[in-house]
Amino acid sequence: GNSVTQMEGPVTLSEEAFLTINCTYTATGYPSLFWYVQYPGEGLQLLLKATKADDKGSNKGFEATYRKETTSFHLEKGSVQVSDSAVYFCAPAGTSYGKLTFGQGTILTVHP
Amino acid sequence: GAGVSQSPRYKVAKRGQDVALRCDPISGHVSLFWYQQALGQGPEFLTYFQNEAQLDKSGLPSDRFFAERPEGSVSTLKIQRTQQEDSAVYLCASSREKNYEQYFGPGTRLTVT
Repeated sequence: GNSVTQMEGPVTLSEEAFLTINCTYTATGYPSLFWYVQYPGEGLQLLLKATKADDKGSNKGFEATYRKETTSFHLEKGSVQVSDSAVYFCAPAGTSYGKLTFGQGTILTVHP
Repeated sequence: GAGVSQSPRYKVAKRGQDVALRCDPISGHVSLFWYQQALGQGPEFLTYFQNEAQLDKSGLPSDRFFAERPEGSVSTLKIQRTQQEDSAVYLCASSREKNYEQYFGPGTRLTVT
């Protein structure tokens, strides 16, 4: 089955700093890749996705590029805000129906 | 439109009790997943339904766990004879079809005392 390694947290940044959260995966074939976010007290929300090699997913200023050669899907944002404080999960989809395999999550805290 | 809903949001059970957790997926969504999220961890897959058919139950941790979706919409996850290690958040997700993005409910936090 698939597996995911995410950057260890927690990550603490000042507002407007640059963010990178690393994610690498092992999988059979070329799975669709997802980033989910969990804000405090809320459920998991889809942040962005990429379905094939070299695709770039983007949403709310976040970006991630599907790198087949390095099996990576690193999350980036040029200027974080306090409201971005949350837990971020990387997840490739596997099997014939899209079962998600989640990383352990990276806690991001952004200070004003 | 309405998202995925789950009930109850919180459940406290004494060890040995049976519990039933309900999931109402987005209307018309064919695929339904259950995941278990332990404290401080990412969600882990439990089981998958396509309409009313349970096509994958490889993630269910023991035969005390049982899930059903008899009419292809609402699903129930049942845990018999709960143990302390069953304490976790149980998440339900639905998607329009297989391999489409999954939309998650708020989860049911189960605490076994």
